[in-house]
Parts: sequence; C-alpha cells; structure tokens
Amino acid sequence: DGGITQSPKYLFRKEGQNVTLSCEQNLNHDAMYWYRQDPGQGLRLIYYSQIVNDFQKGDIAEGYSVSREKKESFPLTVTSAQKNPTAFYLCASSYPGGDEQFFGPGTRLTVL
Amino acid sequence: QKEVEQDPGPLSVPEGAIVSLNCTYSNSAFQYFMWYRQYSRKGPELLMYTYSSGNKEDGRFTAQVDKSSKYISLFIRDSQPSDSATYLCASNNQAGTALIFGKGTTLSVSS
Repeated sequence: DGGITQSPKYLFRKEGQNVTLSCEQNLNHDAMYWYRQDPGQGLRLIYYSQIVNDFQKGDIAEGYSVSREKKESFPLTVTSAQKNPTAFYLCASSYPGGDEQFFGPGTRLTVL
Repeated sequence: QKEVEQDPGPLSVPEGAIVSLNCTYSNSAFQYFMWYRQYSRKGPELLMYTYSSGNKEDGRFTAQVDKSSKYISLFIRDSQPSDSATYLCASNNQAGTALIFGKGTTLSVSS
C-alpha cells in the first residue's frame, strides 16, 4: 500500500527534552512538508523540502529542525527551544511540481 | 490580513441538506485551490482540487472558484452524517510550493 506513515501516533515529552517525529512515504514524491495544527488555528507550515539534502523554513520554523537524507524520509525534531510544542503535527508529500498534497495520519505531541 | 480566511463555524445541518462552505483569499496570484476533509484526530484527506476559476463536480461535492471576487466555495448535496468533519480550504500560487490553509469549518450533519 502506498502512503505516508507517521510515528508515533502519540508522544509525550518533558520540558527541556528534544523529540524526533518520524515521517516516511513510499509514493516516490520529491516534495515533503511539515505542518503544525492547533485548535482554531488551521495548519501552519514549519519546514518543507523539494529535494533530498535541501529544505526551507516555513512560517513557524523557530524551535524546530529537519533533515532530508533520503527521498522517503523527512524527520522533524522539536527542540527544547520551541516554547509551546504541544500540538498535532502533520507530514505531507507531493509530486514534483505538484500542488495536490497528501497527508499522513499525524502525531499528537504533548509536553508534560 | 491572513491570506486565506474561513469561517470556523460550527455549522449544524440536518441530513439531506445542501451545505455551502466558503473561503476568501487575498493574494490574486493564487491559482490552485483545494478542499480537504479532516475527521477528528486524523490527517486531512484531499477532497477537491481546482485550477483557476470555474466549477468542478465529483459526486455530491461541487467546488467553485470565483477569481474576480477571490471567493472559494464547496457545496455538499444530500449531506450525510458521515460528512461530519472539519473542512479546510487551501491555496497556493505555484505548483509544488507549500499550501496556505484556512482555519477550517467544522460541520455536523444530524440524522
């Protein structure tokens, strides 16, 4: 089955800890994206990558980092510098030059 | 002003009603318009996609774009309880770039 997987589904973090959220796709898409969703806020772009070994900051990149070493994988690290990390995190991918983005099931991160 | 505005609702309708969901956008360069449906605690799924102005129909769903007024609409005919979800409109001005999302409208269809 082709698709996007995110793990874990739920993640709990203590303040001051870094955590890494996984995103894998087997759709052979070049572009991948990370969004954050808060209640009443819609989706906001954190980082995106059009190609392996290249990525750009989105609107709310502060406190986050990414890597794109493989086409299939685009992990997101939420660092201790992120002031309000509790949110629903969504990963998406699209074809090269494509505008239809396909989303994973999301990871819900809670800071204790 | 946010680039894509959407009334968050909630919107409650009886089963069988026609639902109209709307968004406005401010960037006249936007060319690609999408509607996503998101069930609670799930990732959004692409429902409709249109390029530039015009209508697109898929079963009970019709997407409409009016570029002159910068208005995006999604119509749902014969609404069903399974249509209860949050509907997100999104747009961008260049294929392959990140989407700009509205905040989403929560729809509840009662049987």
